[in-house]
Amino acid sequence: TQLLEQSPQFLSIQEGENLTVYCNSSSVFSSLQWYRQEPGEGPVLLVTVVTGGEVKKLKRLTFQFGDARKDSSLHITAAQPGDTGLYLCAGGGGATNKLIFGTGTLLAVQP
Amino acid sequence: NAGVTQTPKFQVLKTGQSMTLQCAQDMNHEYMSWYRQDPGMGLRLIHYSVGAGITDQGEVPNGYNVSRSTTEDFPLRLLSAAPSQTSVYFCASSYFIGGVGNEQFFGPGTRLTVL
Repeated sequence: TQLLEQSPQFLSIQEGENLTVYCNSSSVFSSLQWYRQEPGEGPVLLVTVVTGGEVKKLKRLTFQFGDARKDSSLHITAAQPGDTGLYLCAGGGGATNKLIFGTGTLLAVQP
Repeated sequence: NAGVTQTPKFQVLKTGQSMTLQCAQDMNHEYMSWYRQDPGMGLRLIHYSVGAGITDQGEVPNGYNVSRSTTEDFPLRLLSAAPSQTSVYFCASSYFIGGVGNEQFFGPGTRLTVL
């Protein structure tokens, strides 16, 4: 069974701080996605990375796919209260398009 | 364009009752899936479908049935509800392009409590 472990599980920081969320697995994935979920809603895609070592930037968010395609990280610079939410990584693709989701990181950014 | 819709939004069942969670999408996506979300466990795949008439099991299929008679609809049936099925259920859809992770579009969820 493929597993994706995220760390930390919870993170509470002040506005303006930087943070990094990690997503690790012992399995190789053809692609890795990051989603953000707000209370009472479904997850929404932030980014997809498909190449080992790939780095993608989305404004203050930087996503990296590990060289071996087993892990990924999400770095947020100068966090804002609007970044508050549950961040989920998801590995998969492949012939069946199945996604395996990580355990999630709940981020709270205090003003 | 409504995206992915789910009904009902909330449901309370007694142990042993059956029910169907409805899911529909209007984006002509081939791939549809059902997940359950429990605290500290992320999203776990229950069943998925790569097209009308084709379904397969995910990580946690026991106690659930699905069917896919049309591209648009993918209902999830609870056969005999148990307290362990108390959870938030999400339906998702996407295009099906094998080999690359495709963006999943999620519905707003159904919050189910089994007493």
